[in-house]
Amino acid sequence: QQPVQSPQAVILREGEDAVINCSSSKALYSVHWYRQKHGEAPVFLMILLKGGEQKGHEKISASFNEKKQQSSLYLTASQLSYSGTYFCGTGGDDKIIFGKGTRLHILP
Amino acid sequence: EAGVAQSPRYKIIEKRQSVAFWCNPISGHATLYWYQQILGQGPKLLIQFQNNGVVDDSQLPKDRFSAERLKGVDSTLKIQPAKLEDSAVYLCASSWGQGGETQYFGPGTRLLVL
Repeated sequence: QQPVQSPQAVILREGEDAVINCSSSKALYSVHWYRQKHGEAPVFLMILLKGGEQKGHEKISASFNEKKQQSSLYLTASQLSYSGTYFCGTGGDDKIIFGKGTRLHILP
Repeated sequence: EAGVAQSPRYKIIEKRQSVAFWCNPISGHATLYWYQQILGQGPKLLIQFQNNGVVDDSQLPKDRFSAERLKGVDSTLKIQPAKLEDSAVYLCASSWGQGGETQYFGPGTRLLVL
């Protein structure tokens, strides 16, 4: 079952914050976040394993609520380089199913 | 460490022709994936190999698509005959162990079927 991402698209000014949500109708073992810039391959951001943990690196962090079967990606004080499409992938023990993506555009 | 390599980067063919894509995963990665990404969509898994065995090919249109991973390293994906709706980016990815782990993607092959 493909996870559902929201919103579909976001436009921000540099320095503003954004939250991207990912939810699944199936129980989750893991959630993977990737960013894809136009014309490029998806690049791994982080993986969260069941346990409700929160992970982060500098100004990008994520949470995983396995009870609610959802994850959120937080981008703080966004930079121009954050522009791209963000995909969540929900994982069982054998594969990842990707959502349709959230397009993020940062304006200077 | 070298990343996932794919070739060609671009391909334009006419419908009903055949085409093949090649992928070389990161050295030592046991699992290899082929995804189809249609414009504006997320990657859709076509086939997953662990070493040279198929783990999942449930979404591979087997009447026209085929894939192999000889010797558990390189892989080729073939489409024969191609249809207009096959126009997409074909991404290859690899991971260390069995699926569900962090996947590293290649640059992709952009296919346009006319």
